[in-house]
Amino acid sequence: GNSVTQMEGPVTLSEEAFLTINCTYTATGYPSLFWYVQYPGEGLQLLLKATKADDKGSNKGFEATYRKETTSFHLEKGSVQVSDSAVYFCAPTIQGAQKLVFGQGTRLTINP
Amino acid sequence: DTGVSQDPRHKITKRGQNVTFRCDPISEHNRLYWYRQTLGQGPEFLTYFQNEAQLEKSRLLSDRFSAERPKGSFSTLEIQRTEQGDSAMYLCASSLVGGQGHGYTFGSGTRLTVV
Repeated sequence: GNSVTQMEGPVTLSEEAFLTINCTYTATGYPSLFWYVQYPGEGLQLLLKATKADDKGSNKGFEATYRKETTSFHLEKGSVQVSDSAVYFCAPTIQGAQKLVFGQGTRLTINP
Repeated sequence: DTGVSQDPRHKITKRGQNVTFRCDPISEHNRLYWYRQTLGQGPEFLTYFQNEAQLEKSRLLSDRFSAERPKGSFSTLEIQRTEQGDSAMYLCASSLVGGQGHGYTFGSGTRLTVV
């Protein structure tokens, strides 16, 4: 079945720092890959996605590239803001699979 | 359409009481999912529906839990004889069949506290 391993948190950075949150997955077939973000007290919001190898998903300055050879989908942002403070979840799914599988999440705190 | 709605946002109940949560998905979405999230953890799958049919249930869903989607639109999740271990955020999500490439849309969740 599918599983995902995320970089353990918490991660604390200063504003304008470079961010990387690592994510690797195991899956049979050819998964679609997603990053979700959860702000305090809220549900999950889709941040970005990639559906095939070498695709790059991007949104709000965040990017992640689908690396099939390393089964990775690392999240990056060149210059983080205080408003990016949240918990980030990497989640793979595959065609025909009926549910997303989430890792434990990475809590990100950005200090001004 | 304002997205996936969940009601209530917060529920505090005494141990042993029954509680029911409601989820209204995006109207054109035919799949509806329930997840549970405890503090500091990622969401765990509970069950999902395609239209009104409940197609999969996790082993996490004990006999005290029941979910319905009677008309293929809104869904309810009932927990009977609540226990302190049931305290968690209950998340609902919806999607289209074949929408795996688009991800799911989540509601804001119902936070349950059992005292």
